[in-house]
Amino acid sequence: GDSVTQMEGPVTLSEEAFLTINCTYTATGYPSLFWYVQYPGEGLQLLLKATKADDKGSNKGFEATYRKETTSFHLEKGSVQVSDSAVYFCALKYGSQGNLIFGKGTKLSVKP
Amino acid sequence: EPEVTQTPSHQVTQMGQEVILRCVPISNHLYFYWYRQILGQKVEFLVSFYNNEISEKSEIFDDQFSVERPDGSNFTLKIRSTKLEDSAMYFCASSWESGSEQYFGPGTRLTVT
Repeated sequence: GDSVTQMEGPVTLSEEAFLTINCTYTATGYPSLFWYVQYPGEGLQLLLKATKADDKGSNKGFEATYRKETTSFHLEKGSVQVSDSAVYFCALKYGSQGNLIFGKGTKLSVKP
Repeated sequence: EPEVTQTPSHQVTQMGQEVILRCVPISNHLYFYWYRQILGQKVEFLVSFYNNEISEKSEIFDDQFSVERPDGSNFTLKIRSTKLEDSAMYFCASSWESGSEQYFGPGTRLTVT
C-alpha cells in the first residue's frame, strides 16, 4: 500500500544551520505531497504542499520539490531559527479523497 | 484565526472502560476526521465524516470505535471498551471540502492502564 518514510529524528542543529529532512514515498498513483509542522502544544499545521511532479512548495523559508523519479519530497531550509523547533510530518493524499497518509514525524531542535 | 479544539488534552482510563474524545471543528467546515499516533509510530487515519455519516474508515476503525456529531459544533470519537493498545495521541481535523486543506487540533493523549 501507499506509505511515507521520513528520516529518523531527533535532529539537533545550531541556529543558522542548513536543514534537510528526508521524505520518500511509495504510491500507486500520483498523489499530492505535504509537509505539516507541529509546534509544542499545538495542532498539525500545513507548512507547504506540491500537487504534481517538479512542483516546488515553499513557505516561511522552507522548500520541498516533488521528485517523481526519486519518489522524494525532502524538506529544506537554508538558515534555521530557534522558533523552527517543532515536529515535521511528511504526508501524501490523493485528489479529492479525505485521508492523509503520514510519516512518523521528525523532531527538530534548534539551539541558539 | 479559527482553530480546531480538542478536549481533554490528556485522558487516563482503565482497560475496558469507555472513553469519549471531543473535538470542536472550525465552524463552517463540512468534513471531519480522526487520526491517531501511537508513540513512535506514524500518524494513522481512522475515519472521515460528512453529512452525518462516515465517508471513509480505515481497518483500525473497528466496532469498538464510533463517531458522532451530536450537535452543530462537537465531533466526538468514542471507544467502547479500551485496550492497552489504544494508548495514543488522537488528532481531530476538519476541512471545508473533501480535497481541501485539513486543519488539525492539538490532540488528546489517551493513556490506557
